[in-house]
Amino acid sequence: DTAVSQTPKYLVTQMGNDKSIKCEQNLGHDTMYWYKQDSKKFLKIMFSYNNKELIINETVPNRFSPKSPDKAHLNLHINSLELGDSAVYFCASSQVAAQETQYFGPGTRLLVL
Amino acid sequence: KQEVTQIPAALSVPEGENLVLNCSFTDSAIYNLQWFRQDPGKGLTSLLLIQSSQREQTSGRLNASLDKSSGRSTLYIAASQPGDSATYLCAVGSGTYKYIFGTGTRLKVLA
Repeated sequence: DTAVSQTPKYLVTQMGNDKSIKCEQNLGHDTMYWYKQDSKKFLKIMFSYNNKELIINETVPNRFSPKSPDKAHLNLHINSLELGDSAVYFCASSQVAAQETQYFGPGTRLLVL
Repeated sequence: KQEVTQIPAALSVPEGENLVLNCSFTDSAIYNLQWFRQDPGKGLTSLLLIQSSQREQTSGRLNASLDKSSGRSTLYIAASQPGDSATYLCAVGSGTYKYIFGTGTRLKVLA
């Protein structure tokens, strides 16, 4: 009965590869987010989606392409991975935009070699 | 541009102490402010959410206050316990679909 789930939990890959991270929420929320947490533990928003529509893209390189097939899912595809993409990626959701409590997934730890 | 800062960056206290964590933000036009805790290698757990019209919220031993005009929020933890050891993050609802996170305070409560 996990509220926000992400797969995979760990991802180790070579530079130049393409990879995807999946996120699902069973809370019935309208809004979903992707965050990146760097090595200094600083958490920064990447994308916000509301009802499957992209609302915010925070100057993320276009190698990152989010896709929301339905309100409960927000996947992140990354092309041509670079060393600097190594981080922990968190998915989150909330009921009404950023006016309500955000619920976070457990994170996906990405290491690019 | 909204910037969120947390002081101190790290804090170590003996068990039983009351403590205060600080969060400051540069733009007072916020929707709300949320406090989270993050355990090592884990995701974030929401602790308290204060709407912009509220002054404080309480949950158990936790009390969070919000002063929009001065751009500050505090998280008060009463009678700290070793299980409270974690990183505490504040996040400002800045814009309809956007949270800006602070730099975090790493708390260690010694038994």
